[in-house]
Amino acid sequence: GAVVSQHPSRVICKSGTSVKIECRSLDFQATTMFWYRQFPKQSLMLMATSNEGSKATYEQGVEKDKFLINHASLTLSTLTVTSAHPEDSSFYICSAEKQDSGNQPQHFGDGTRLSIL
Amino acid sequence: AQKITQTQPGMFVQEKEAVTLDCTYDTSDPSYGLFWYKQPSSGEMIFLIYQGSYDQQNATEGRYSLNFQKARKSANLVISASQLGDSAMYFCAMSSLDTGRRALTFGSGTRLQVQP
Repeated sequence: GAVVSQHPSRVICKSGTSVKIECRSLDFQATTMFWYRQFPKQSLMLMATSNEGSKATYEQGVEKDKFLINHASLTLSTLTVTSAHPEDSSFYICSAEKQDSGNQPQHFGDGTRLSIL
Repeated sequence: AQKITQTQPGMFVQEKEAVTLDCTYDTSDPSYGLFWYKQPSSGEMIFLIYQGSYDQQNATEGRYSLNFQKARKSANLVISASQLGDSAMYFCAMSSLDTGRRALTFGSGTRLQVQP
């Protein structure tokens, strides 16, 4: 089946550090990847839509200069949290959509727990 | 805009019993997909079942079935013969079937606890 790999699974770092999270589709090409954020005991909220070869589309209230998204190939999207602060601590999870997938579900990575001290 | 409502923050069910998790939705899209995902404490999102807005029959996947009532805008998940391993958060979600707007909108989730 389709597999999405997300790395790292957990990050603990000091305030002010920039953190890069990778999302890879291992056995399919994904023209579109989605980045979600989930605060404790809450639901997943879409942050941005990442399209291969073009700029990401950010949801209202998500700072594009703080959450840098790069989708340089059909199998890799990265999310960089720049100058992270404690309020950025959250669970970040990506999903990828197969090219020409029709109505097939998106495939999720296993998520990244980010803790900023 | 799309909206998903899950009114049950938590549910308890006895092992081997069936349980229904409620989900209602609102959308202006003429065609859409409805999904259920399971999220265990480890965090990964496990796809359970999908229902398309134009599908005539209710979707079924093993012990999971989706009770789709389009006129009522509801898409309830039924889990039959509950198992202890079913204890988790369950999210109802939807997306437009328009190519350019396929991101998922999630409900607030229902925490299911299966009791022995």
